Amino acid sequence: DVVLTQTPPTLSATIGQSVSISCRSSQSLLHSNGNTYLHWLLQRPGQSPQLLIYLVSRLESGVPNRFSGSGSGTDFTLKISGVEAEDLGVYYCVQGTHAPRTFGGGTKLELK
Amino acid sequence: VQLVESGGGLVQPGKSLKLSCSASGFTFSSYGMHWIRQAPGKGLDWVAYISSSSGTVYADAVKGRFTISRDNAKNTLYLQLNSLKSEDTAIYYCARNNYGAWGQGTLVTVSS
Repeated sequence: DVVLTQTPPTLSATIGQSVSISCRSSQSLLHSNGNTYLHWLLQRPGQSPQLLIYLVSRLESGVPNRFSGSGSGTDFTLKISGVEAEDLGVYYCVQGTHAPRTFGGGTKLELK
Repeated sequence: VQLVESGGGLVQPGKSLKLSCSASGFTFSSYGMHWIRQAPGKGLDWVAYISSSSGTVYADAVKGRFTISRDNAKNTLYLQLNSLKSEDTAIYYCARNNYGAWGQGTLVTVSS
């Protein structure tokens, strides 16, 4: 199975600070159809997860543009340009290129 | 778009349970669907997927014990859980393909 390793496991930030989360895959996530099925989710405390970024860098409708995704192959990054209080929670990467689907272990974003 | 899970509860080890996910606000039959679980205080754990044409994929941990199915006439996704173990205790979420929509989750507790 594909292993997704997220770093750091915990991230402390002040409001307005820019932060990045890394997601590294044990195998390339480039599908034979040319798509890379790597997505980013946010789970706020007590809530269901929500989709932020799909296919590496595409912003889900309604998600603020301070969120951005980048990367290719096995290395991917989620960047938040100016953290806001509502961004606190746990961020997960998830891959859909290989069966079975797998999630990263999560990165908890806290206020410093 | 709305997904509403039901059917969770307290069940003894070795017993069975059937979860449902009622979908509305989109053409259910056109979308693949996932079941994803989250043990208390832990990260997200992908369980199973069913395509729009009813092809299925399972995580190794549940293969042979869980069965995902769908009834497009009723706009409902199911997960049959058999031979339950204590480690299956979790909130079970249904999610639409590419994770753009999630339900609120239903709690399954396996304990004697």
